[in-house]
Amino acid sequence: KAGVTQTPRYLIKTRGQQVTLSCSPISGHRSVSWYQQTPGQGLQFLFEYFSETQRNKGNFPGRFSGRQFSNSRSEMNVSTLELGDSALYLCASSLRTDPTYNEQFFGPGTRLTVL
Amino acid sequence: AQSVAQPEDQVNVAEGNPLTVKCTYSVSGNPYLFWYVQYPNRGLQFLLKYITGDNLVKGSYGFEAEFNKSQTSFHLKKPSALVSDSALYFCAVRGVMDSSYKLIFGSGTRLLVRP
Repeated sequence: KAGVTQTPRYLIKTRGQQVTLSCSPISGHRSVSWYQQTPGQGLQFLFEYFSETQRNKGNFPGRFSGRQFSNSRSEMNVSTLELGDSALYLCASSLRTDPTYNEQFFGPGTRLTVL
Repeated sequence: AQSVAQPEDQVNVAEGNPLTVKCTYSVSGNPYLFWYVQYPNRGLQFLLKYITGDNLVKGSYGFEAEFNKSQTSFHLKKPSALVSDSALYFCAVRGVMDSSYKLIFGSGTRLLVRP
């Protein structure tokens, strides 16, 4: 079974631009979560989508947004990029068969560099 | 508030020796606990989880972890380290009563196994 895929793997943008990152979960997984990883702040939760609905949102400004499509693929968008947005953005998918907790499987990430 | 502490930035061990990577947590109610490993330029790989049941959990690549409720700890262990175990290790927690799939991660511990 194919793992979580993220595109693109690397991205270079300039301040003020916007960017869209894509995540395809493992087949059959309906939950997609996004995390930001930086050397200073570590791994921080951005948001989770399940059945096309945002279930939870982390403490990030409104410039960070996301959505999920009917096939469970997800995109996240960052508008008006700032230098501090440079990070590895990780996507994780899970079966999410509540109430049982299912572990999350991570993709390889998208490395975003803002110049 | 939920939190995870990994008190050691780096752990050094000789190949063939046992290794321990420490993790303590704080969460309201019972926890779900996880260990992930990250290799350079890669996403996070799931190692093991504690949901309920036996306090000693066995996972991938010969790793195991012991859940200690009284000490709120979930230390990762391996009886005999390999050079290929050298990587960045993350402990994560989610509250049982939490409705989201948000994981709170520790700051990570770099494991260096010398030949």
